Amino acid sequence: QKEVEQNSGPLSVPEGAIASLNCTYSDRGSQSFFWYRQYSGKSPELIMFIYSNGDKEDGRFTAQLNKASQYVSLLIRDSQPSDSATYLCALRWGSARQLTFGSGTQLTVLP
Amino acid sequence: EAQVTQNPRYLITVTGKKLTVTCSQNMNHEYMSWYRQDPGLGLRQIYYSMNVEVTDKGDVPEGYKVSRKEKRNFPLILESPSPNQTSLYFCASSPPGGYQETQYFGPGTRLLVL
Repeated sequence: QKEVEQNSGPLSVPEGAIASLNCTYSDRGSQSFFWYRQYSGKSPELIMFIYSNGDKEDGRFTAQLNKASQYVSLLIRDSQPSDSATYLCALRWGSARQLTFGSGTQLTVLP
Repeated sequence: EAQVTQNPRYLITVTGKKLTVTCSQNMNHEYMSWYRQDPGLGLRQIYYSMNVEVTDKGDVPEGYKVSRKEKRNFPLILESPSPNQTSLYFCASSPPGGYQETQYFGPGTRLLVL
């Protein structure tokens, strides 16, 4: 059984601060990991993926993966009010690109 | 424009009245999936398909059917909807490729079963 646990929040940070979102997973056979952002009532949109141990940076976003600890995180630097959304962690597994999602962390960036 | 489309976007129905939610993608993706999203439970996979005529159950398939007769279409069928199927439904598709490939979501269908 593949499970993904996210710190459910909600999380509030002031504008310009670093937001840290965390996720743990149960399956060591997971292929890769994805962070999606979802605005209220909208569909999830892909922010980043990571499949190797270490850090991966893309603009203000940094994903971190530690397979030994079964831990993946997302850092958002210089947080903006437009970053306010629910962030979903997902692990990919299986031959059909199945995704198992965490329950999401609601982030609010306060102006 | 590359996209996944769903219809209808909003639907109110009554218990037991069969309905179909259509999903179509124009990216020639092989993999397609259906999810439902409920508060506090996140996104849960209902069914997925690896290609035409190849479908399999996800985590919550009870009460749902799917078919994949054409590569671009993957309809979700509720033969006898019940109130516990009230939810937000997303269709998604994914191309073949490496570890970076993931699923891209349609706009969602909000279903209310009375």
